[in-house]
Parts: sequence; C-alpha cells; structure tokens
Amino acid sequence: DQQVKQNSPSLSVQEGRISILNCDYTNSMFDYFLWYKKYPAEGPTFLISISSIKDKNEDGRFTVFLNKSAKHLSLHIVPSQPGDSAVYFCAGTVYGGATNKLIFGTGTLLAVQP
Amino acid sequence: SAVISQKPSRDICQRGTSLTIQCQVDSQVTMMFWYRQQPGQSLTLIATANQGSEATYESGFVIDKFPISRPNLTFSTLTVSNMSPEDSSIYLCSAEQGLNTEAFFGQGTRLTVV
Repeated sequence: DQQVKQNSPSLSVQEGRISILNCDYTNSMFDYFLWYKKYPAEGPTFLISISSIKDKNEDGRFTVFLNKSAKHLSLHIVPSQPGDSAVYFCAGTVYGGATNKLIFGTGTLLAVQP
Repeated sequence: SAVISQKPSRDICQRGTSLTIQCQVDSQVTMMFWYRQQPGQSLTLIATANQGSEATYESGFVIDKFPISRPNLTFSTLTVSNMSPEDSSIYLCSAEQGLNTEAFFGQGTRLTVV
C-alpha cells in the first residue's frame, strides 16, 4: 500500500519554462510534505516543504501547492534551468511521534533541455 | 547544515558475506535513520538508529539481517548480513538536527551482491 505516489516517472521541459511535478497521497495523517532533489551518485537534498495546514509555500523559483481535498501536491519550478535536471522525490511525514518517518514517492526524473 | 559522510560509497560483495556501512555526521544530531532504495523504487525506511539502545525497525526489516549500531550522537553503522543478490540496493544514512526539522542525507552506498 503505497501512501505517496508520483505517477510520472519522467518529465522533459525546455529551459525557461515551468516544470510541474505532481504527487498524490493516501494518508491524511501527514503533518508535512517535503520535496527532495537527487543528483546521480549523491544523496537526496532537501528542497522545500509545506505544512498540511497551508496550501502554498514559495521559496525563490520553487513553489509547492497542496490540495488537501484532492490529496495532491505539486512542485512548480519557474523558470526551469538545466541545473534543475535531477530526480525529485516527494515525501510525507508525521511529526511529533517517537520518530519522524518519511514516506517517499518513487520519484520523477526531470530533464530541463537547454 | 550538517554534513553526512557515508562509506563505502560503493561495493561489490559475494553472496553470503556481510558488509558494514558507516555514517559519520560532522555535528551532533538528534535522530539518525537508515534507508534503502532498490532499483526503480522509492526510498524505504529500514530503521531508526537510537543512541545507546537497540534500533527501531520498520515492518519487513529485522535486526538479524540489518544490525545497526549508534554509539554516540554523530556516528552509526548498518550491517547487511548474509547477503543475497536481492540486497543489491543503494543504502542511505539520514539525520535530523532537531525536533521537527527536515532530514538530510549522506551520498549513499551502492551495494551489488554477486
């Protein structure tokens, strides 16, 4: 039972355009959602997060939108740059328990074409 | 933010043998975790490494197969025991510096069992 789903394994976008990465979840108990970026042969690096009580969080070129009724979140990157080419993972977490466990999606490979 | 050094970065091992992966953080952290990423899959939490006590394992993972140590607040090891080709994965160490903060990751250990 996969609680976090990224249904698009890959996405190709032209430089300067908007990249939209999507994520669906089934667990209504998540307190936060996080996006991580992963380059080959490196560990994931934290990108941006959003609390479940918010519907938008923005940080520079990155904006995450949360639609709780649809159990859907998306990451917008605008403008996209070739250096953004990486695998993007969304994850949900429940904070405040004995451990903060991250539940990851399967990732979306973003390719930004120059 | 703190930096995680993980080693080895990759290894090729014979089936039936064991491999110990080391994770060193350059500052004290509250939580340390071990994840596995099988080919084409998402990151899956193996266990939470508890300082000075036994690790907390997720469903499907057992101490006999994945013994974990965490002798202090900056270091942990994961051993993959009696390896089989199905253990071929990327193993990732992760940590959190404080309560309700985002997790950060080491670069991962790419394990191939032949």
